[in-house]
Amino acid sequence: QVQLQESGPGLVKPSETLSLTCTVSGGSISASYWSWIRQPPGKGLEYIGFITHSGRTNYRPSLKSRVTISADTSESQFSLRLTSVTAADTAVYYCARGGYHNFDHWGQGTLVTVSS
Amino acid sequence: QSVLTQPPSASGTPGQRVTISCSGSSSNIGSNTVSWYQQLPGTAPKLLIDSNNQRPSGVPDRFSGSKSGTSASLALSGLLSEDEGDYYCATWDDSLKTWVFGGGTKLTVL
Repeated sequence: QVQLQESGPGLVKPSETLSLTCTVSGGSISASYWSWIRQPPGKGLEYIGFITHSGRTNYRPSLKSRVTISADTSESQFSLRLTSVTAADTAVYYCARGGYHNFDHWGQGTLVTVSS
Repeated sequence: QSVLTQPPSASGTPGQRVTISCSGSSSNIGSNTVSWYQQLPGTAPKLLIDSNNQRPSGVPDRFSGSKSGTSASLALSGLLSEDEGDYYCATWDDSLKTWVFGGGTKLTVL
């Protein structure tokens, strides 16, 4: 059974960079697509982007200038980097397997708060 | 404002059948398959319906999905109190070249 676990700082200062890592167990990161999705407090789900097994990426257009998703197959991890954060980036961040037909496995989510 | 439109709320009594709609356009639902996600309070979303109407292993057959044109629907029959939560539709948008989610529907079991 594939399991995903997000890790990273829970507090980031405005204008700084948010960095999160998702560790995958029970499955090969060299297969499938791997995605990041966020949920602002009390709001709905918002797709951020995915990386494919071949390293191709896709990003939400409104975040494209600030987002980078990368993968480290040797560590079975993929990462999210979001620059120049503001309070609007405060959210629970989920990593998930998928991004082609669906998102079939999700991490438990990690709350990232942007505040000074 | 979400690209996919869902009613913000839905409700039913135990045992009842409830339907949640998801309306899009020719560039998203009209061209691609729809998946549905269940998010119970305080938990991560879970894939409920894949490829318009396919239930992943372990999802009860009380849940069913359908798609027609630029709209999709999720039906829950034999409603249980444990079904209370938020439900989201999602699909790929060919014009935006990104995944889009509905705004979510909060299901209340009365």
